[in-house]
Amino acid sequence: SQQGEEDPQALSIQEGENATMNCSYKTSINNLQWYRQNSGRGLVHLILIRSNEREKHSGRLRVTLDTSKKSSSLLITASRAADTASYFCATDAWFNKFYFGSGTKLNVKP
Amino acid sequence: SAVISQKPSRDICQRGTSLTIQCQVDSQVTMMFWYRQQPGQSLTLIATANQGSEATYESGFVIDKFPISRPNLTFSTLTVSNMSPEDSSIYLCSGGQGNHEQYFGPGTRLTVT
Repeated sequence: SQQGEEDPQALSIQEGENATMNCSYKTSINNLQWYRQNSGRGLVHLILIRSNEREKHSGRLRVTLDTSKKSSSLLITASRAADTASYFCATDAWFNKFYFGSGTKLNVKP
Repeated sequence: SAVISQKPSRDICQRGTSLTIQCQVDSQVTMMFWYRQQPGQSLTLIATANQGSEATYESGFVIDKFPISRPNLTFSTLTVSNMSPEDSSIYLCSGGQGNHEQYFGPGTRLTVT
């Protein structure tokens, strides 16, 4: 990818379990965003975390950012079948341009 | 938030022709971008659409192949020129206010035969 990598590439869990996906990036950033993309659909913005923040919550989502390790994680708690999608991180390094990670395909089995 | 629409939603084009994709935002945005996404892959940034001036292209993308216009703060077009089957992809535009959330259009699915 232009900026970073995500792992795992694919994750399969049972409904009710937690899902954690990680994003690593290459350069210093201003902020990092997480997006969800359902198969064949557009991207939905989930959460933005700025470089001076360490953790952010939104509903069942928890995002952490470690700028010293150039990494972020997205935790989805109590997952649902409707959470099945691809998840991408995107980093804003300079000139407000966003570069996307490779993505994690999450499958939540009912 | 901003709502972004794209036209066409999909198209099938012949090799050697060109297609222009339109992107309309329901409110003024500072930044607009164009991305390409191969099926099952991540998004690759093509260029930044600059209002009233030439677009800024990422490495590997050139103006002759992907001319971009942005006449105002709510509208942009991307043309895929002299198409080949390798250009088959989903093309997405996005918009946002600088260092804030970026919103995406639904994408244009292009197939080149």
